[in-house]
Amino acid sequence: NAGVMQNPRHLVRRRGQEARLRCSPMKGHSHVYWYRQLPEEGLKFMVYLQKENIIDESGMPKERFSAEFPKEGPSILRIQQVVRGDSAAYFCASSPPDWRTGELFFGEGSRLTVL
Amino acid sequence: KQEVTQIPAALSVPEGENLVLNCSFTDSAIYNLQWFRQDPGKGLTSLLLIQSSQREQTSGRLNASLDKSSGRSTLYIAASQPGDSATYLCAVRPRDNFNKFYFGSGTKLNVKP
Repeated sequence: NAGVMQNPRHLVRRRGQEARLRCSPMKGHSHVYWYRQLPEEGLKFMVYLQKENIIDESGMPKERFSAEFPKEGPSILRIQQVVRGDSAAYFCASSPPDWRTGELFFGEGSRLTVL
Repeated sequence: KQEVTQIPAALSVPEGENLVLNCSFTDSAIYNLQWFRQDPGKGLTSLLLIQSSQREQTSGRLNASLDKSSGRSTLYIAASQPGDSATYLCAVRPRDNFNKFYFGSGTKLNVKP
């Protein structure tokens, strides 16, 4: 049973470009979370999605950031017009349908560097 | 809003020592608490999950306890090894906002050979 798969592992973008980060949850998991980790800081919640639905995006910056989890395919975190402050590790996690007691499983992360 | 604190921020011990990592949270209304390990440049590996109705969980040399009323959890590592060197994170899932897990900033552990 493959774990949570994220790609790319490393991404370099110039200011103003777009970054797309992909996440495939563990098999059987229908809940996906995106977290951001800034250097030397803890993980901060960004968004929680189920298939075709954004459930909670209260941690997402109001502009330039968007997320989706289509019926088919991976979840996508999209950052438009990146700035240097977007440089961080972006982690995706998934949990089983029993969301109240379900354990979180994380991917290896996507490390974005903005030049 | 739930706040999670981990003390100490860093810890260095000689190999073989038993050690305790602390996690405290401000709101005791939680569904569960999870301990993770993070190696440099890597993702988070789940170590132990404690449901709100449980007092402790054990896995190998690791034991995690939960005292919900006082807002505390401890991760006990027995007979530490250099391979245990990593950052240890705790996360809580609050009842009033169960979409989120709130993370502490972690304890960076270094076990010296």
